[in-house]
Amino acid sequence: DIQMTQSPSSLSASIGDRVTITCRASQSINSYLNWYQQRPGKAPKLLIQAASSLQSGVPSRFSGSGSGTDFTLTISSLQPEDFAIYYCQQTYNTPRSTFGQGTKVEIK
Amino acid sequence: QVQLVESGGGVVQPGRSTRLSCVASGFPFSSYIMHWVRQSPGTGLEWVAVISSDESYKHYADSVKGRFTISRDNSKNTLYLQMNSLRVEDTAVYYCARVSSIGTMAYYYGMDVWGQGTTVTVSS
Repeated sequence: DIQMTQSPSSLSASIGDRVTITCRASQSINSYLNWYQQRPGKAPKLLIQAASSLQSGVPSRFSGSGSGTDFTLTISSLQPEDFAIYYCQQTYNTPRSTFGQGTKVEIK
Repeated sequence: QVQLVESGGGVVQPGRSTRLSCVASGFPFSSYIMHWVRQSPGTGLEWVAVISSDESYKHYADSVKGRFTISRDNSKNTLYLQMNSLRVEDTAVYYCARVSSIGTMAYYYGMDVWGQGTTVTVSS
């Protein structure tokens, strides 16, 4: 199976900060990489598909980039509602999809 | 309103069985590939199973293969997960989720609609 490793596992940031989360695949997955946001007690929410395609309704402060093995999720200006856990997911090895372990974004 | 609603969770003894249901509304359920994803307490997301729109293709994570069965009834807009020979490590919140596109390439897409989750606790 393809392993997905996120870094950092957690981070503390302030409102307005630029935040970057990295996801690395154990082998090339082209651009078959999705990002999700999960708030406490809620289901995950799809933010970005195919590495950089923003889902409809997702604020433009979220962006994704990368291909091959290295990917990035960036929040350009952190807002109160962005404090959550973020997961990457590879669908290259479909249907054997795998998720990263998650990155918790906390308030500094 | 596009929606998925799971049910069927609860406390189950190890070795026993239970079945989860996921009722879809607000979209043409029969056109979409569907997944089950689970999340154990305090941990991340684990993909469990996937089923094609016409039920012709099913695939499972190694951790549940041979014990869990995914199925669907398109006439009832309902997805199922039959869970047999349950283990303590199957304790989790189980989510059903829809793939964001239709067609043969849809397996490569993300999951854009999720249910609220149903909790299964395996304990004696």
